[in-house]
Amino acid sequence: NAGVTQTPKFRVLKTGQSMTLLCAQDMNHEYMYWYRQDPGMGLRLIHYSVGEGTTAKGEVPDGYNVSRLKKQNFLLGLESAAPSQTSVYFCASRWTGLTGELFFGEGSRLTVL
Amino acid sequence: GQQVMQIPQYQHVQEGEDFTTYCNSSTTLSNIQWYKQRPGGHPVFLIQLVKSGEVKKQKRLTFQFGEAKKNSSLHITATQTTDVGTYFCAGPLGSSNTGKLIFGQGTTLQVKP
Repeated sequence: NAGVTQTPKFRVLKTGQSMTLLCAQDMNHEYMYWYRQDPGMGLRLIHYSVGEGTTAKGEVPDGYNVSRLKKQNFLLGLESAAPSQTSVYFCASRWTGLTGELFFGEGSRLTVL
Repeated sequence: GQQVMQIPQYQHVQEGEDFTTYCNSSTTLSNIQWYKQRPGGHPVFLIQLVKSGEVKKQKRLTFQFGEAKKNSSLHITATQTTDVGTYFCAGPLGSSNTGKLIFGQGTTLQVKP
């Protein structure tokens, strides 16, 4: 039982390049989220999904796109990377109850030069 | 917009001393969660508080939810080096039940042995 798995763990991009981060969970969770973490700013929600085929914007969605074609996978895309997108990205998932904890992946560290 | 603030941002203590971090929300929260992130790691759920005035204990950790459900605190008694890390509080983002959380900036605890 792997929980939430993110790939890749590390990536270096040049400004203007594109890439996709993959998040996979094996807990059959409906809800999935992408957060970014920057020093002194905690975790900020980029996009989220409440089920297969649905996505919605979070607090800081600009410059990112997402897709949830399969329930277990949530992809985060950067079409044209900018240095401001240098960050650690965390995927998380949870069940659909009124309350409940988030299960986080180990993170993906992205550097944009 | 909705905000969750944590103080202090950093705390250095001698092993054996107590530690407290405070969390304040700009809005009333239906529940509050606490997470711990070890250096280089990912956030891990500690606890959830739901009721006004609720107090919960986990060994040396004591969590409180304010009467107005707008503030919370985490107190660690007799810190140990294993307590090192960043502690985040988080509450529901917005009013819809989609599990989205807004996080405080975190309090980073350093413990000197």
